[in-house]
Amino acid sequence: GAVVSQHPSRVICKSGTSVKIECRSLDFQATTMFWYRQFPKQSLMLMATSNEGSKATYEQGVEKDKFLINHASLTLSTLTVTSAHPEDSSFYICSARPEARNEQYFGPGTRLTVT
Amino acid sequence: AQTVTQSQPEMSVQEAETVTLSCTYDTSESDYYLFWYKQPPSRQMILVIRQEAYKQQNATENRFSVNFQKAAKSFSLKISDSQLGDAAMYFCAYSEAGTASKLTFGTGTRLQVTL
Repeated sequence: GAVVSQHPSRVICKSGTSVKIECRSLDFQATTMFWYRQFPKQSLMLMATSNEGSKATYEQGVEKDKFLINHASLTLSTLTVTSAHPEDSSFYICSARPEARNEQYFGPGTRLTVT
Repeated sequence: AQTVTQSQPEMSVQEAETVTLSCTYDTSESDYYLFWYKQPPSRQMILVIRQEAYKQQNATENRFSVNFQKAAKSFSLKISDSQLGDAAMYFCAYSEAGTASKLTFGTGTRLQVTL
């Protein structure tokens, strides 16, 4: 149980285009999902907290207009990187928290490369 | 703000031996949760073990156990009978109590398992 999927696993896009990453909780409902970014050989950096049916809460320094988050259902959150630039290239990981539980389960991550 | 410190960037253990990974944290809260996550080369984050701060008994999960010292704000992970599959990055994480609380990660410890 507690499986989280992420799609796509890898994506290459051209500078200036937008790319959408999906995060799904497959066997549980999650009112809260989280989006992280991880640079090589570093820890996870929280970008934003996604709450079902409401606006996401972004961490300091994260551009809201660049990283659009939508959490339209209890099992799906999406991260859209708008007008992507090479510096947005990174590994993006989502996690989901089962309702009434204080632990997070992570998706397998998405490697984004912007050329 | 809460901080999590992992002072061992790398550790090595021989197969079948025992290794302890260190973690300290700083918080003014009395109720919180602590976690160890494993990130193998696949980069999939896997929850290894969790500890509720209000519980005095140390958590155990098969070969994994923790030494939780609340007064010292220490939360170490012991891996017994180490296996080759235990080789990974290990992240210590902290979360305040509450259903919307986010994780604060340490910088990670890379564990090598040798024959």
